[in-house]
Amino acid sequence: DAMVIQNPRYQVTQFGKPVTLSCSQTLNHNVMYWYQQKSSQAPKLLFHYYDKDFNNEADTPDNFQSRRPNTSFCFLDIRSPGLGDAAMYLCATSRNQATDTQYFGPGTRLTVL
Amino acid sequence: AQSVSQHNHHVILSEAASLELGCNYSYGGTVNLFWYVQYPGQHLQLLLKYFSGDPLVKGIKGFEAEFIKSKFSFNLRKPSVQWSDTAEYFCAVTIQTGANNLFFGTGTRLTVIP
Repeated sequence: DAMVIQNPRYQVTQFGKPVTLSCSQTLNHNVMYWYQQKSSQAPKLLFHYYDKDFNNEADTPDNFQSRRPNTSFCFLDIRSPGLGDAAMYLCATSRNQATDTQYFGPGTRLTVL
Repeated sequence: AQSVSQHNHHVILSEAASLELGCNYSYGGTVNLFWYVQYPGQHLQLLLKYFSGDPLVKGIKGFEAEFIKSKFSFNLRKPSVQWSDTAEYFCAVTIQTGANNLFFGTGTRLTVIP
């Protein structure tokens, strides 16, 4: 019955080695979001897709990219991970605008060695 | 910039005690307000939300929250907590301009002792 699925749940990468995190949804929602949550901090929005329209937050580093090949899937690419990118990455979806409830996946915990 | 403050970082209660978790936001315009909960090992899920109308909102599992516009607050309450309420609670805000950004507080960890 999982609605927002994230793979893998745990990812270890090396400093500077590109990594891709995956999110899929069975809700057929228009909007997909990526949040970064560091230890003891609030989740912070990196970017979102409204259908195929990509919306980047102003302070999201260029190191972070995203792809949405279809409605169901969305990927987070970190081109050259630094130690400061170690965090939990949360994917969420909503039917339309943020006034709609956002449904979250379980997250992927990224470790950078 | 919008921000959300949750002043209680960790709250420890005994079962049957009453709960109130504080949430304050800074934004002068119209907002939508949410409380999310994250049980151990699980994903974030919605407890309740306020968009308009009655400022006292009832959510799942006996939780409620009251929007007090003059105080920029949206505190979460439950009259009698259970051990199963042990979780992390996040307050979040969006502004009513159609933007999709949920601004989260840093969360409050609730531990309920049986």
